[in-house]
Amino acid sequence: DSGVTQTPKHLITATGQRVTLRCSPRSGDLSVYWYQQSLDQGLQFLIQYYNGEERAKGNILERFSAQQFPDLHSELNLSSLELGDSALYFCASSKSGNTIYFGEGSWLTVV
Amino acid sequence: AQTVTQSQPEMSVQEAETVTLSCTYDTSESDYYLFWYKQPPSRQMILVIRQEAYKQQNATENRFSVNFQKASKSFSLKISDSQLGDAAMYFCAYLKGGADGLTFGKGTHLIIQP
Repeated sequence: DSGVTQTPKHLITATGQRVTLRCSPRSGDLSVYWYQQSLDQGLQFLIQYYNGEERAKGNILERFSAQQFPDLHSELNLSSLELGDSALYFCASSKSGNTIYFGEGSWLTVV
Repeated sequence: AQTVTQSQPEMSVQEAETVTLSCTYDTSESDYYLFWYKQPPSRQMILVIRQEAYKQQNATENRFSVNFQKASKSFSLKISDSQLGDAAMYFCAYLKGGADGLTFGKGTHLIIQP
């Protein structure tokens, strides 16, 4: 158990809909990261937050957004969903920024 | 942009033997970190080992060790005394020092033959 908690574990939704994935980082970790793992794109970094502020941006689509709250939990919002957004979404956290621990992921299926 | 290349899509090894997974990376940075993550069928991403670029000594974690060659930008993972539980996808990853996310290779599927 990495200590990073993600909910929900599985989610099925229709095209055009919006979903929110939630993440609680390990105790004491200020950085939260979001990654997407899909068959065609592999593992991709989406975005990083540090203590509530956006720190780095990767290949995140404009239809996707994230935030980190004062209690350090984070949410990833995915809107106008398309079939191609079906993927495993990981949250990860880090204390120092140089060792990153992953949650178990949220499986998103868009039908 | 940084890239990570894993040239072996699949490797197979007999139980109790040693296997080496290859990884090369490309970067112009001097401050960075390298990782190997294991992803078993459960799809969880498990940190196996970590190497700081400024350290010449190769990292080891029990049966797992790396061969870090900074000049040639290679970072291989050696698994000794392979066990059935080692069967998984293994991802090599690069992290630039400071703020950024991990850049992953495409992975190597490791099969352990009993």
